[in-house]
Amino acid sequence: QKEVEQDPGPLSVPEGAIVSLNCTYSNSAFQYFMWYRQYSRKGPELLMYTYSSGNKEDGRFTAQVDKSSKYISLFIRDSQPSDSATYLCAMSPSQGGSEKLVFGKGTKLTVNP
Amino acid sequence: DAGITQSPRHKVTETGTPVTLRCHQTENHRYMYWYRQDPGHGLRLIHYSYGVKDTDKGEVSDGYSVSRSKTEDFLLTLESATSSQTSVYFCAISEGRGSTDTQYFGPGTRLTVL
Repeated sequence: QKEVEQDPGPLSVPEGAIVSLNCTYSNSAFQYFMWYRQYSRKGPELLMYTYSSGNKEDGRFTAQVDKSSKYISLFIRDSQPSDSATYLCAMSPSQGGSEKLVFGKGTKLTVNP
Repeated sequence: DAGITQSPRHKVTETGTPVTLRCHQTENHRYMYWYRQDPGHGLRLIHYSYGVKDTDKGEVSDGYSVSRSKTEDFLLTLESATSSQTSVYFCAISEGRGSTDTQYFGPGTRLTVL
């Protein structure tokens, strides 16, 4: 079993839809969870950062972590065509530095006008 | 791209030739990383550095070497390029401390080995 599993999609939704992106993981030591957004032919950019379980909201984006189920989610409300990108989840056991991030393979999202 | 530049941005080379990719940061961050990104594999860590002249291997380090002689520069060398090293290479940086520390990525280098 891979350490981090992420459905590659592709996922296609109409503008204004609520999007749910998910990752599951097997390593119970993971405590720090991130979502990156990657536009075509660009580098990944950090979107959300959460620690341990719970929710975090930033504008139209909400990140959820359920450590008991080893499951994390990213919700996008009122999705826009500019949200079309590949979304990568990433996680690590501790913060920063030499602790390596483990990435999901990414989910490609297209929001249709 | 968080003060990170990569050069070259695109390169085509032939099998067996050495290739060096450069990552330059203006953030004075301690940690620097090299990843490759391939369809079906996602991002995989090649090497990382935790200070000047301090480096360590990642998941897919065979065929690659790195050097960091200055805080701001991290070089990735393909000693003898092979077609399996055709990929998009990303550099990333992190401060290495703090409660919200994480990695920030450069724009990438697209390498084709013929």
